[in-house]
Amino acid sequence: AQRVTQPEKLLSVFKGAPVELKCNYSYSGSPELFWYVQYSRQRLQLLLRHISRESIKGFTADLNKGETSFHLKKPFAQEEDSAMYYCALGGYQKVTFGTGTKLQVIP
Amino acid sequence: GAGVSQSPSNKVTEKGKDVELRCDPISGHTALYWYRQSLGQGLEFLIYFQGNSAPDKSGLPSDRFSAERTGGSVSTLTIQRTQQEDSAVYLCASSVGTGGFSGANVLTFGAGSRLTVL
Repeated sequence: AQRVTQPEKLLSVFKGAPVELKCNYSYSGSPELFWYVQYSRQRLQLLLRHISRESIKGFTADLNKGETSFHLKKPFAQEEDSAMYYCALGGYQKVTFGTGTKLQVIP
Repeated sequence: GAGVSQSPSNKVTEKGKDVELRCDPISGHTALYWYRQSLGQGLEFLIYFQGNSAPDKSGLPSDRFSAERTGGSVSTLTIQRTQQEDSAVYLCASSVGTGGFSGANVLTFGAGSRLTVL
Protein backbone atom coordinates (compact mmCIF):
# COMPACT_ATOMS: atom_id res chain seq x y z
CA ALA A 1 0.00 0.00 0.00
CA GLN A 2 1.21 3.50 -0.69
CA ARG A 3 1.57 5.86 2.22
CA VAL A 4 2.83 9.40 2.80
CA THR A 5 4.03 10.63 6.17
CA GLN A 6 4.49 14.24 7.17
CA PRO A 7 5.68 14.08 10.77
CA GLU A 8 5.18 17.74 11.66
CA LYS A 9 1.72 19.28 11.96
CA LEU A 10 3.16 22.71 12.57
CA LEU A 11 6.53 24.21 11.75
CA SER A 12 7.40 27.70 12.94
CA VAL A 13 10.49 29.49 11.65
CA PHE A 14 11.72 33.06 11.69
CA LYS A 15 11.82 35.09 8.51
CA GLY A 16 15.14 34.55 6.78
CA ALA A 17 15.74 31.19 8.42
CA PRO A 18 16.01 27.98 6.38
CA VAL A 19 12.95 25.80 6.02
CA GLU A 20 12.68 22.05 5.67
CA LEU A 21 9.31 20.35 5.52
CA LYS A 22 9.68 16.61 5.88
CA CYS A 23 7.97 13.98 3.77
CA ASN A 24 8.54 10.24 3.74
CA TYR A 25 6.75 7.76 1.55
CA SER A 26 6.11 4.07 1.18
CA TYR A 27 5.63 2.68 -2.33
CA SER A 28 6.76 -0.47 -4.05
CA GLY A 29 7.19 0.91 -7.57
CA SER A 30 8.61 4.08 -9.07
CA PRO A 31 6.87 6.92 -7.26
CA GLU A 32 5.82 10.29 -8.56
CA LEU A 33 6.09 12.84 -5.76
CA PHE A 34 4.47 16.24 -5.44
CA TRP A 35 4.21 19.15 -3.07
CA TYR A 36 0.94 21.06 -2.93
CA VAL A 37 0.36 24.34 -1.09
CA GLN A 38 -2.72 26.05 0.24
CA TYR A 39 -2.40 29.73 1.10
CA SER A 40 -5.03 31.33 3.30
CA ARG A 41 -8.38 31.58 1.50
CA GLN A 42 -6.94 30.15 -1.72
CA ARG A 43 -7.31 26.88 -3.55
CA LEU A 44 -5.00 24.00 -2.96
CA GLN A 45 -2.49 24.12 -5.80
CA LEU A 46 0.51 22.29 -7.11
CA LEU A 47 3.82 23.72 -5.93
CA LEU A 48 6.27 21.36 -7.55
CA ARG A 49 6.84 17.84 -8.88
CA HIS A 50 9.96 15.78 -8.43
CA ILE A 51 10.04 14.94 -12.11
CA SER A 52 10.39 18.61 -13.06
CA ARG A 53 13.43 19.16 -10.87
CA GLU A 54 12.67 22.86 -10.72
CA SER A 55 12.66 25.57 -8.08
CA ILE A 56 9.33 27.26 -7.47
CA LYS A 57 9.16 30.35 -5.25
CA GLY A 58 12.61 29.42 -3.99
CA PHE A 59 11.49 25.95 -2.90
CA THR A 60 13.19 22.77 -4.03
CA ALA A 61 12.63 19.11 -3.24
CA ASP A 62 14.85 16.16 -4.06
CA LEU A 63 13.61 12.62 -4.28
CA ASN A 64 15.82 10.33 -2.19
CA LYS A 65 14.84 6.78 -3.04
CA GLY A 66 17.27 5.32 -0.54
CA GLU A 67 15.66 7.17 2.35
CA THR A 68 12.22 7.21 0.67
CA SER A 69 12.02 10.93 1.32
CA PHE A 70 10.98 14.03 -0.59
CA HIS A 71 11.68 16.89 1.78
CA LEU A 72 10.78 20.44 0.76
CA LYS A 73 13.45 23.04 1.35
CA LYS A 74 13.95 26.77 1.09
CA PRO A 75 17.12 28.54 2.22
CA PHE A 76 15.46 31.75 3.45
CA ALA A 77 11.85 31.76 4.58
CA GLN A 78 9.57 34.67 3.68
CA GLU A 79 6.38 35.73 5.43
CA GLU A 80 4.38 34.95 2.29
CA ASP A 81 5.48 31.31 2.58
CA SER A 82 3.13 30.86 5.52
CA ALA A 83 0.65 28.25 4.33
CA MET A 84 -0.39 24.63 4.58
CA TYR A 85 1.86 22.25 2.67
CA TYR A 86 0.93 18.75 1.56
CA CYS A 87 3.19 16.06 0.19
CA ALA A 88 1.55 13.66 -2.27
CA LEU A 89 2.42 10.41 -3.97
CA GLY A 90 1.13 9.22 -7.34
CA GLY A 91 1.65 5.95 -9.10
CA TYR A 92 -0.67 3.42 -10.68
CA GLN A 93 -3.26 3.92 -7.95
CA LYS A 94 -5.00 6.99 -6.64
CA VAL A 95 -2.89 9.91 -5.49
CA THR A 96 -2.23 9.75 -1.76
CA PHE A 97 -1.71 12.83 0.39
CA GLY A 98 0.07 13.28 3.65
CA THR A 99 -1.68 14.94 6.57
CA GLY A 100 -0.06 18.29 5.86
CA THR A 101 2.31 20.65 7.64
CA LYS A 102 1.36 24.17 8.52
CA LEU A 103 4.31 26.50 7.99
CA GLN A 104 4.28 29.63 10.06
CA VAL A 105 6.93 32.23 9.25
CA ILE A 106 7.45 34.63 12.13
CA PRO A 107 8.36 38.20 11.12
CA GLY B 1 -14.18 24.45 -18.43
CA ALA B 2 -10.89 25.99 -17.53
CA GLY B 3 -10.89 24.69 -13.99
CA VAL B 4 -12.72 22.53 -11.48
CA SER B 5 -16.02 24.06 -10.47
CA GLN B 6 -17.85 23.28 -7.26
CA SER B 7 -21.30 24.30 -6.13
CA PRO B 8 -22.63 25.57 -3.89
CA SER B 9 -19.69 27.52 -2.52
CA ASN B 10 -21.47 27.79 0.82
CA LYS B 11 -24.25 25.70 2.27
CA VAL B 12 -25.89 26.12 5.65
CA THR B 13 -28.29 23.40 6.64
CA GLU B 14 -30.07 22.07 9.68
CA LYS B 15 -29.08 18.88 11.40
CA GLY B 16 -30.88 15.93 9.89
CA LYS B 17 -31.33 17.40 6.42
CA ASP B 18 -29.78 15.94 3.28
CA VAL B 19 -27.33 17.94 1.17
CA GLU B 20 -25.89 17.53 -2.30
CA LEU B 21 -22.57 18.99 -3.38
CA ARG B 22 -21.64 19.17 -7.03
CA CYS B 23 -18.31 18.99 -8.82
CA ASP B 24 -17.62 19.79 -12.47
CA PRO B 25 -14.14 18.50 -13.30
CA ILE B 26 -11.91 19.68 -16.09
CA SER B 27 -13.15 18.36 -19.41
CA GLY B 28 -11.34 15.16 -20.35
CA HIS B 29 -10.10 14.40 -16.85
CA THR B 30 -10.87 10.79 -16.07
CA ALA B 31 -9.89 10.82 -12.40
CA LEU B 32 -11.98 12.63 -9.80
CA TYR B 33 -11.44 12.86 -6.05
CA TRP B 34 -13.47 14.13 -3.12
CA TYR B 35 -11.78 15.28 0.07
CA ARG B 36 -12.93 16.82 3.31
CA GLN B 37 -11.06 19.52 5.17
CA SER B 38 -12.24 20.29 8.67
CA LEU B 39 -11.29 23.55 10.38
CA GLY B 40 -7.56 23.57 11.00
CA GLN B 41 -7.16 20.00 9.81
CA GLY B 42 -5.55 18.36 6.82
CA LEU B 43 -7.09 16.62 3.85
CA GLU B 44 -9.31 13.64 4.51
CA PHE B 45 -9.79 11.40 1.47
CA LEU B 46 -13.40 10.44 0.83
CA ILE B 47 -13.83 8.81 -2.57
CA TYR B 48 -12.03 8.36 -5.90
CA PHE B 49 -13.40 7.77 -9.38
CA GLN B 50 -11.21 6.61 -12.26
CA GLY B 51 -12.81 6.20 -15.66
CA ASN B 52 -15.32 3.36 -15.74
CA SER B 53 -13.74 1.48 -12.83
CA ALA B 54 -15.62 0.90 -9.61
CA PRO B 55 -15.03 3.88 -7.31
CA ASP B 56 -12.73 3.64 -4.32
CA LYS B 57 -15.07 4.41 -1.45
CA SER B 58 -12.64 3.50 1.28
CA GLY B 59 -12.58 7.01 2.76
CA LEU B 60 -16.30 7.56 3.22
CA PRO B 61 -16.82 8.03 6.99
CA SER B 62 -20.27 6.46 7.20
CA ASP B 63 -23.11 5.13 5.09
CA ARG B 64 -24.70 8.57 5.23
CA PHE B 65 -22.15 9.61 2.63
CA SER B 66 -22.40 8.60 -1.01
CA ALA B 67 -21.18 9.89 -4.34
CA GLU B 68 -21.81 9.25 -7.96
CA ARG B 69 -20.27 10.34 -11.18
CA THR B 70 -22.52 10.50 -14.18
CA GLY B 71 -21.23 10.05 -17.70
CA GLY B 72 -17.67 10.13 -16.48
CA SER B 73 -17.93 13.85 -15.84
CA VAL B 74 -20.00 15.65 -13.19
CA SER B 75 -19.95 14.20 -9.69
CA THR B 76 -22.37 14.67 -6.81
CA LEU B 77 -21.50 14.02 -3.17
CA THR B 78 -24.59 13.39 -1.06
CA ILE B 79 -24.71 13.55 2.72
CA GLN B 80 -27.87 12.21 4.27
CA ARG B 81 -29.18 13.16 7.71
CA THR B 82 -26.41 15.67 8.25
CA GLN B 83 -24.73 15.94 11.63
CA GLN B 84 -22.82 18.85 13.12
CA GLU B 85 -19.55 16.96 12.74
CA ASP B 86 -20.12 16.97 8.97
CA SER B 87 -19.37 20.69 8.96
CA ALA B 88 -16.27 21.15 6.82
CA VAL B 89 -15.02 22.27 3.44
CA TYR B 90 -15.55 19.60 0.82
CA LEU B 91 -12.95 19.69 -1.93
CA CYS B 92 -13.11 18.13 -5.35
CA ALA B 93 -10.09 17.55 -7.57
CA SER B 94 -9.56 16.03 -10.98
CA SER B 95 -6.63 14.78 -13.00
CA VAL B 96 -5.97 13.40 -16.44
CA GLY B 97 -5.81 9.94 -14.89
CA THR B 98 -3.44 7.42 -13.48
CA GLY B 99 -1.05 5.08 -15.17
CA GLY B 100 2.35 6.49 -14.61
CA PHE B 101 2.69 8.85 -17.51
CA SER B 102 3.93 12.35 -16.90
CA GLY B 103 1.26 14.74 -15.70
CA ALA B 104 -1.38 12.06 -15.24
CA ASN B 105 -1.37 12.43 -11.48
CA VAL B 106 -1.32 16.22 -11.25
CA LEU B 107 -4.48 17.22 -9.43
CA THR B 108 -6.41 20.43 -10.05
CA PHE B 109 -8.58 21.42 -7.10
CA GLY B 110 -11.83 23.27 -6.95
CA ALA B 111 -12.47 26.11 -4.55
CA GLY B 112 -14.51 23.86 -2.29
CA SER B 113 -17.99 23.79 -0.84
CA ARG B 114 -18.20 25.00 2.75
CA LEU B 115 -20.87 23.08 4.62
CA THR B 116 -22.20 24.30 7.94
CA VAL B 117 -24.62 22.11 9.84
CA LEU B 118 -26.54 23.92 12.56
